[in-house]
Amino acid sequence: GAVVSQHPSRVICKSGTSVKIECRSLDFQATTMFWYRQFPKQSLMLMATSNEGSKATYEQGVEKDKFLINHASLTLSTLTVTSAHPEDSSFYICSALPSGRAFPDTQYFGPGTRLTVL
Amino acid sequence: GNSVTQMEGPVTLSEEAFLTINCTYTATGYPSLFWYVQYPGEGLQLLLKATKADDKGSNKGFEATYRKETTSFHLEKGSVQVSDSAVYFCALIRTQGAQKLVFGQGTRLTINP
Repeated sequence: GAVVSQHPSRVICKSGTSVKIECRSLDFQATTMFWYRQFPKQSLMLMATSNEGSKATYEQGVEKDKFLINHASLTLSTLTVTSAHPEDSSFYICSALPSGRAFPDTQYFGPGTRLTVL
Repeated sequence: GNSVTQMEGPVTLSEEAFLTINCTYTATGYPSLFWYVQYPGEGLQLLLKATKADDKGSNKGFEATYRKETTSFHLEKGSVQVSDSAVYFCALIRTQGAQKLVFGQGTRLTINP
């Protein structure tokens, strides 16, 4: 089956540093990828939609200068949390939609990245 | 707006017990409804879906019926197994406007042998 990986699975960083999270579709191409954020005991919240070769579309309330998204190839999207602060600590999940397939039930999710900012 | 509310977990059951995880939603119009499952260390996977009122989604022994009158989509399984231990997410997507998934907060299920 289709697999989406995320790297790293866990990261701890100091306040003020930047952290990059990778999302890869391992055996399919994905024109569109999604980034979600999940707080403890809360639901996944869509942060942005990443489209290969174009700018990401951010949800209302998400700072695009803080959460930089780059979808430079059909198998890789990256989320960079810039100047991270403790309130950015969260679980970040990506999903990938195979090129040519219809949203939403054919998207595949990564296992998530736990970010802790000290 | 659109929202999904799930019963709070965690839920712990014995093997072969009957399972119900409640899910209710708020939405304008008639959204499509989904249940996703996340096994330990893996990404969310689509478990089942229903796209209109009275539809029943089913997969791997799990069932959920789209109830418009009660705005609910409860997940049920008649006899759970240890391998069903996972986190379950209820979700909806609007049928109009910008499409995006709206998730509930997830319910952690543990099945003991």
